[in-house]
Amino acid sequence: DVKVTQSSRYLVKRTGEKVFLECVQDMDHENMFWYRQDPGLGLRLIYFSYDVKMKEKGDIPEGYSVSREKKERFSLILESASTNQTSMYLCASEGATTDTQYFGPGTRLTVL
Amino acid sequence: AQSVTQLDSHVSVSEGTPVLLRCNYSSSYSPSLFWYVQHPNKGLQLLLKYTSAATLVKGINGFEAEFKKSETSFHLTKPSAHMSDAAEYFCVVIVFSGGYNKLIFGAGTRLAVHP
Repeated sequence: DVKVTQSSRYLVKRTGEKVFLECVQDMDHENMFWYRQDPGLGLRLIYFSYDVKMKEKGDIPEGYSVSREKKERFSLILESASTNQTSMYLCASEGATTDTQYFGPGTRLTVL
Repeated sequence: AQSVTQLDSHVSVSEGTPVLLRCNYSSSYSPSLFWYVQHPNKGLQLLLKYTSAATLVKGINGFEAEFKKSETSFHLTKPSAHMSDAAEYFCVVIVFSGGYNKLIFGAGTRLAVHP
């Protein structure tokens, strides 16, 4: 089974703090994704990566950055957290030749 | 532009009765469509997918969906609801953009199942 893990299930941070969300997959997938999930909006793509050290902006990249130094790990960074970044963050991975994304359990981030 | 619309934000059924979760899509070409399910405090799990083969697609846990091009619909059904089906369900269309597959999610439908 594909396994996608996220470093924290719940996280509470203060406005202005730098926040790191980590995601690791164990299936040697080339593509990895970060989404945020908000009620009534479904999932929205923040950033994705199709290879090590490569990244592409999704639909809502503002206020976020990412890092992919190793194939199995994709990090989402909030340089200076703000209250409007309070949300559920979901990571996903996908093989280069498939169209099925596998999701982690999510990190619920609260910014006070 | 490709998009999906889930017509109900909440659906409530009794255990043992049929489930219908409605989804309409907008696509300028023959789309690939998915249904994902999210149980409380868990990640999204793929229920089923349509990729231009048979129009009636069977998924896990007894769910199925029918692709109807004339109605631009991809409704999810199950003959008999179980308590464990209570979850949030997302209809998804794939867009090929910039050389990559991009998932466009609907807003979600929360299914409640009552005894």
